[in-house]
Amino acid sequence: GIQVEQSPPDLILQEGANSTLRCNFSDSVNNLQWFHQNPWGQLINLFYIPSGTKQNGRLSATTVATERYSLLYISSSQTTDSGVYFCAVEGNTNAGKSTFGDGTTLTVKP
Amino acid sequence: KAGVTQTPRYLIKTRGQQVTLSCSPISGHRSVSWYQQTPGQGLQFLFEYFSETQRNKGNFPGRFSGRQFSNSRSEMNVSTLELGDSALYLCASSSTTGNTIYFGEGSWLTVV
Repeated sequence: GIQVEQSPPDLILQEGANSTLRCNFSDSVNNLQWFHQNPWGQLINLFYIPSGTKQNGRLSATTVATERYSLLYISSSQTTDSGVYFCAVEGNTNAGKSTFGDGTTLTVKP
Repeated sequence: KAGVTQTPRYLIKTRGQQVTLSCSPISGHRSVSWYQQTPGQGLQFLFEYFSETQRNKGNFPGRFSGRQFSNSRSEMNVSTLELGDSALYLCASSSTTGNTIYFGEGSWLTVV
């Protein structure tokens, strides 16, 4: 099946710093999403981005489908950005099944 | 528009018992998928239903089963619970394949 690798596994930043999270995937995808998991366990949608670039406030994402990677940018980080960020992909041959990376744990210090 | 609703949110069961978890998708969504999250294994796909048909299944033993009703609500069942089944069980819905998926708040299962 499709493999998803996220890097770095852990990231510690000072408030106000910028960061880039990476997601590599091993095959063509129908769907790629970025999620932030809150302390209570819920996965919050950040971006639906199988290709191209999107921005939402301080967050933006880029997926280069032909090179099989996606990047999540966080600018001017805040302590509330702390948590685990997941990339999930749905392969072309596996309808309805999303494969998750292991996540990046982000800690933003005041 | 209401989000994905999962019940119960928290439950404690004894080894050997069975458990049923429920998921109500966003109105109009026909695809419901289930995931298990544990510290050691991360987020793993259990199964996906679309219009009452199971389209895809992950690598879990037969003790894990699910179904979807005509109103798109879904249930998953775990029989003969083991300690290792303790996990956060997450349900997600989407309107169709390849579209944005939305997750519920999850059901925290502890097996003692």
